[in-house]
Amino acid sequence: QVQLVESGGGVVQPGRSLRLSCAASGFTFSSYGMHWVRQAPGKGLEWVAVISYDGSNEYYRDSVKDRFTISRDNSKNTLYLQMNSPRPEDTAVYYCAKDAFHTPADRAIEIDYWGQGILVTVSS
Amino acid sequence: DIQMTQSPSSLSASMGDRVTLTCRASQDISNYLAWFQQKPGKAPKSLIYAASSLQSGVPSKFSGSGSGTDFTLTISSLQPEDFATYYCQQYNSYPITFGQGTRLEIK
Repeated sequence: QVQLVESGGGVVQPGRSLRLSCAASGFTFSSYGMHWVRQAPGKGLEWVAVISYDGSNEYYRDSVKDRFTISRDNSKNTLYLQMNSPRPEDTAVYYCAKDAFHTPADRAIEIDYWGQGILVTVSS
Repeated sequence: DIQMTQSPSSLSASMGDRVTLTCRASQDISNYLAWFQQKPGKAPKSLIYAASSLQSGVPSKFSGSGSGTDFTLTISSLQPEDFATYYCQQYNSYPITFGQGTRLEIK
């Protein structure tokens, strides 16, 4: 069965760095685009970034562009989110999520599975 | 960015009721619309994609409809496990955007 397990969360000071990981299993990781989605405490869902199955394309929401980097290591079945210069407003539970099917097309498709989420708190 | 607006923000209903939740996009998104269910402290669960197609394993009590800018999620015969927050999401273009959610509560 599909499993997505996030790790690397915790408390980070504003302006420092943190890297989240998402270990994938139960499917051919290298065939699927992957997303990060976050949820601030008591708030709704907010899409953060996506990376194509082969890492050739990435898209970000404007508020994290030039600060966060999504990447993947298909040999390790792992997705990453490098968070540089985090701000207090980046405090949230971060979920990794999987595209529903493989596509070589450079366009968004639906998500089918989500990880359990990991809390990141940006505070001094 | 495409804005997604859900209504109502919250809804009280009784066991056995049939409810309809609404989602409106700020521009035409064809049928690139998904619905998710989220319970407190849990990850979202994918329910519907392409506006009306059920994800694998999702019971047929959930149904979606719409295209263009106006969409609905209908849940029939409400059971205790259906009381949750529901989000719509457009994936017609980046950035992907979510509605603010509809909280479905027991009356």
